[in-house]
Amino acid sequence: DAKTTQPPSMDCAEGRAANLPCNHSTISGNEYVYWYRQIHSQGPQYIIHGLKNNETNEMASLIITEDRKSSTLILPHATLRDTAVYYCIVKSYSSASKIIFGSGTRLSIRP
Amino acid sequence: ETGVTQTPRHLVMGMTNKKSLKCEQHLGHNAMYWYKQSAKKPLELMFVYNFKEQTENNSVPSRFSPECPNSSHLFLHLHTLQPEDSALYLCASSQETSIETQYFGPGTRLLVL
Repeated sequence: DAKTTQPPSMDCAEGRAANLPCNHSTISGNEYVYWYRQIHSQGPQYIIHGLKNNETNEMASLIITEDRKSSTLILPHATLRDTAVYYCIVKSYSSASKIIFGSGTRLSIRP
Repeated sequence: ETGVTQTPRHLVMGMTNKKSLKCEQHLGHNAMYWYKQSAKKPLELMFVYNFKEQTENNSVPSRFSPECPNSSHLFLHLHTLQPEDSALYLCASSQETSIETQYFGPGTRLLVL
């Protein structure tokens, strides 16, 4: 079973920030939080990952709560091309090959 | 070419056929993976190879046979498949089987009749 819980679907207006939540209440100290997305009929695409500090790259920002039991992926200015299924995954350094995808959040961007 | 490529992109086969899926990565990675994505189900890890050695077989039926001749190429040989094996088969690679980010190919959409 996936170690994360995400809402099954969300929508967001184009140009606005999309905030995707993820609960990982059983996360352990050596587990990182990863985000991937999968656009229809394509392979998953890496977005960002973090351990306990907030992270930002050219695609998104990742906000991890202080207790690390939840996180939020932020797409600052959503476009129609951001319509995809977004997966939040926790993965440890020692067993990172056991990447387990849950059902993800289907994000729809409306014009 | 760059990234992870997969061929063919689409495949239709009968239950008695034998076919192979090919994956190639141009990223200099050492680890490669096969995933299966069935309709309305999460991605499932099938096999992991690290430096050409299989390090994980996630209870995959023997009708799926992986082969990794070198760190850049990964095959999935298919024989006597069932209709329920119809799915999107995704290949991924990473620098090592550790915390490193996995990069996915576009997938092969397989239909078994």
